[in-house]
Amino acid sequence: DTAVSQTPKYLVTQMGNDKSIKCEQNLGHDTMYWYKQDSKKFLKIMFSYNNKELIINETVPNRFSPKSPDKAHLNLHINSLELGDSAVYFCATHSPHGDTQYFGPGTRLTVL
Amino acid sequence: AQSVAQPEDQVNVAEGNPLTVKCTYSVSGNPYLFWYVQYPNRGLQFLLKYITGDNLVKGSYGFEAEFNKSQTSFHLKKPSALVSDSALYFCAVRENSGNTPLVFGKGTRLSVIA
Repeated sequence: DTAVSQTPKYLVTQMGNDKSIKCEQNLGHDTMYWYKQDSKKFLKIMFSYNNKELIINETVPNRFSPKSPDKAHLNLHINSLELGDSAVYFCATHSPHGDTQYFGPGTRLTVL
Repeated sequence: AQSVAQPEDQVNVAEGNPLTVKCTYSVSGNPYLFWYVQYPNRGLQFLLKYITGDNLVKGSYGFEAEFNKSQTSFHLKKPSALVSDSALYFCAVRENSGNTPLVFGKGTRLSVIA
């Protein structure tokens, strides 16, 4: 079983649309993150959730709204998509034992 | 504020030769240091980490890294490179204060030539 899964793997959409990316983990970890990897491969934290509560929001436009319906899921909803939102979005979880973050396979978002 | 520097965008090495991918860091507290690898069109895979203890850390696929506090470095090494090691390597750091997110370096592309 995949520890951290994301759907969809690829997402191509038009500017102005609203889209969601889903993340699910079966590791039982309390903390989950969304990272963004831009076209130059820079990886940057967007959000951090601990036990379904938002802990960190790193100057991300409010068009981005994470939602954690339960500890196993952290979804990312994006309103009014812009060209600059094109990137690969990674979900990750944090293991308190061993202090390692485990990453999902990524969702490549392309805004046309 | 935490930061990570990977001074090389690209490292080229011949198969069978030793490889080094450099990383230096800056944190105000004790560092938790990580190396991740990203193969094309794939997610990040954990390679190894330094939390405490021995400065030489051994990880997956024969990789190791040495924590050097005085030089604030955590260089990734492998004694004998394989073509299959070709990928993008990320160094990351966080302070040892709770569930804080990782701060990543910009990545170093390793190319192992047969």
